[in-house]
Amino acid sequence: QKEVEQNSGPLSVPEGAIASLNCTYSDRGSQSFFWYRQYSGKSPELIMFIYSNGDKEDGRFTAQLNKASQYVSLLIRDSQPSDSATYLCALNSGNTPLVFGKGTRLSVIA
Amino acid sequence: KAGVTQTPRYLIKTRGQQVTLSCSPISGHRSVSWYQQTPGQGLQFLFEYFSETQRNKGNFPGRFSGRQFSNSRSEMNVSTLELGDSALYLCASSSLTGGPYEQYFGPGTRLTVT
Repeated sequence: QKEVEQNSGPLSVPEGAIASLNCTYSDRGSQSFFWYRQYSGKSPELIMFIYSNGDKEDGRFTAQLNKASQYVSLLIRDSQPSDSATYLCALNSGNTPLVFGKGTRLSVIA
Repeated sequence: KAGVTQTPRYLIKTRGQQVTLSCSPISGHRSVSWYQQTPGQGLQFLFEYFSETQRNKGNFPGRFSGRQFSNSRSEMNVSTLELGDSALYLCASSSLTGGPYEQYFGPGTRLTVT
């Protein structure tokens, strides 16, 4: 049974700070890792994915993957109030169905 | 490119009825997955269709079924509705052309069972 764990939050950060969202997983065979953002009442929106150990940067977002520690994180630099949302971590192996964590609620305080 | 579309957006049904939800994937995407999202359970995988064939199935009772048409549009059906079926039903499409399995979600159908 694949499990994806996320702290439910809320994680509160001041505007302009770095928000750090973390995700741990149980299946060592997991290959691809995804971060989705979901605003209240909306559907999940893909922010980025990562499949190699290390960091991957896209604008203000950086995904970090450590397969040995079974840990993936998302850093949001210069956090804005518009970043306030629930962030979902998901993973899979090959073309197996995505398994989602329950999400971390982020609140950016102006 | 148009995104994933789902109809209807909102639905109210009574227990015992059945419901059919529709999903049109992004043009060129041949894989459609369905998820149920509730506050308590989060996003749970229902099933996935690719080229009109069910490729994967989650742990939901047989009351939940789906199909995919030759144009990649997909429908899911829930028969004999129960109060616990109230949820946001999301479909996601993917091109499955290799590499990471990126899925793009539609706006969802909010189903309320009374």
